[in-house]
Amino acid sequence: KQEVTQIPAALSVPEGENLVLNCSFTDSAIYNLQWFRQDPGKGLTSLLLIQSSQREQTSGRLNASLDKSSGRSTLYIAASQPGDSATYLCAVTQGAQKLVFGQGTRLTINP
Amino acid sequence: DAGVIQSPRHEVTEMGQEVTLRCKPISGHNSLFWYRQTMMRGLELLIYFNNNVPIDDSGMPEDRFSAKMPNASFSTLKIQPSEPRDSAVYFCASFSGRGQADTQYFGPGTRLTVL
Repeated sequence: KQEVTQIPAALSVPEGENLVLNCSFTDSAIYNLQWFRQDPGKGLTSLLLIQSSQREQTSGRLNASLDKSSGRSTLYIAASQPGDSATYLCAVTQGAQKLVFGQGTRLTINP
Repeated sequence: DAGVIQSPRHEVTEMGQEVTLRCKPISGHNSLFWYRQTMMRGLELLIYFNNNVPIDDSGMPEDRFSAKMPNASFSTLKIQPSEPRDSAVYFCASFSGRGQADTQYFGPGTRLTVL
C-alpha cells in the first residue's frame, strides 16, 4: 500500500527566505506526483505536476523535483512572501487516477 | 467555467440523521472523485466514477455511505445514518483524463458536523 509522508508538519519562516518542503513515498510505481496548495476553508489548487518520466517542474518562484528511485520529492519556494502561507500537500497518482496524499506541511511566512 | 460546485458548504446534523452531499463537476470532465479530510487521517479517497460508473469504492468506510452519479453533471454522497465520527470536510473533484499531465480539480468542500 502506497504511503506518502511529508516533513516537516509545520514550518514558520521570515519573509524573503528560501525554503524546501519534503515528500517521500514508499512505492516508486507512480503515474505522476503533484504538489497542491490548500488555504483555510478552501479546496485544493494544483501548483506543480511532475510526470513519472520527468525530474522537475518550475512555475514562477516554485520548483519541484522528483527522484522516483529514492521515492522523494521536494518543493522549493524562493523569496517567500506572506501570501505563500498555506498548507502544502504532496500527492502521488497511481493507476492513472487515484491520488494518495501526504498529511501536508502547514507553512507560515512571517512579515 | 465555474469550477467544481459543491453543496451545501456547511452541514450540521444530529446523529442518526441522513445527510446528502452534492457535487457538480466541470463540464466535459469524465471522472469524478469523492474525498474526505480529517485531522487524524488527512485526505482519503472514498470513491471515484468514470463516465458515471463507479470504478473503485474501496475507500468507502462502511455500508452507511453510498454514492451515485445519475448523469455526467451531478453526483451525490449519502450517509445514512450519520455518526459523530463522520464529521469531516468532504471534497469532490473532477478530471478530464486527457493525459498524464492533467490534474484533478477540487471543489471548495462541504464541512459536515454530526452532533
